[in-house]
Amino acid sequence: DSGVTQTPKHLITATGQRVTLRCSPRSGDLSVYWYQQSLDQGLQFLIQYYNGEERAKGNILERFSAQQFPDLHSELNLSSLELGDSALYFCASSVVSTLFNEQFFGPGTRLTVL
Amino acid sequence: AQTVTQSQPEMSVQEAETVTLSCTYDTSESDYYLFWYKQPPSRQMILVIRQEAYKQQNATENRFSVNFQKAAKSFSLKISDSQLGDAAMYFCAYRSLTGTASKLTFGTGTRLQVTL
Repeated sequence: DSGVTQTPKHLITATGQRVTLRCSPRSGDLSVYWYQQSLDQGLQFLIQYYNGEERAKGNILERFSAQQFPDLHSELNLSSLELGDSALYFCASSVVSTLFNEQFFGPGTRLTVL
Repeated sequence: AQTVTQSQPEMSVQEAETVTLSCTYDTSESDYYLFWYKQPPSRQMILVIRQEAYKQQNATENRFSVNFQKAAKSFSLKISDSQLGDAAMYFCAYRSLTGTASKLTFGTGTRLQVTL
């Protein structure tokens, strides 16, 4: 158990819908990262937050957005869902973003868009 | 932008034998970190080993070791005395030390099978 929690574990929804994925980082970790793992694109970095502020953006679609709240949990919002958005979404956390610290991964949320 | 290449989609090893997984990367930076992550069927991402680019000594964690060749931009993972529990997807990852972002850039993975 990495200490990073993600909810829900599984999510099945229809095209055009909107979903919210939630992540709670390890206690004391200020940085949260979101990654998408799909058959087509492999493991891709989406976005990083550090202590409530966006730190870096990767290949995140405009239909996707994220935020990190004062209690440091983070949410990834996916809207106007398409079949191609079906993937495993990982959240990871680390203590400090600019120094080496292991990124601890949560168990992931498997999203299926029908 | 950095890229990470894993040219072996699948590998197989017999129990108790040794296997080496290959990884190459492309970067213009001089300082960075490299990682190997394991993803078993549970899908959990587990850090196996890490290497700081400024360290010439190859990292070792129990049965896992790396062969880091900075000039060749190569970072292979050697698993000794393979066990059934080593069967998983293995991902090589790169992390830049420049700027404020610390994202991981992953390779496409190598699926390791361990046979009796």
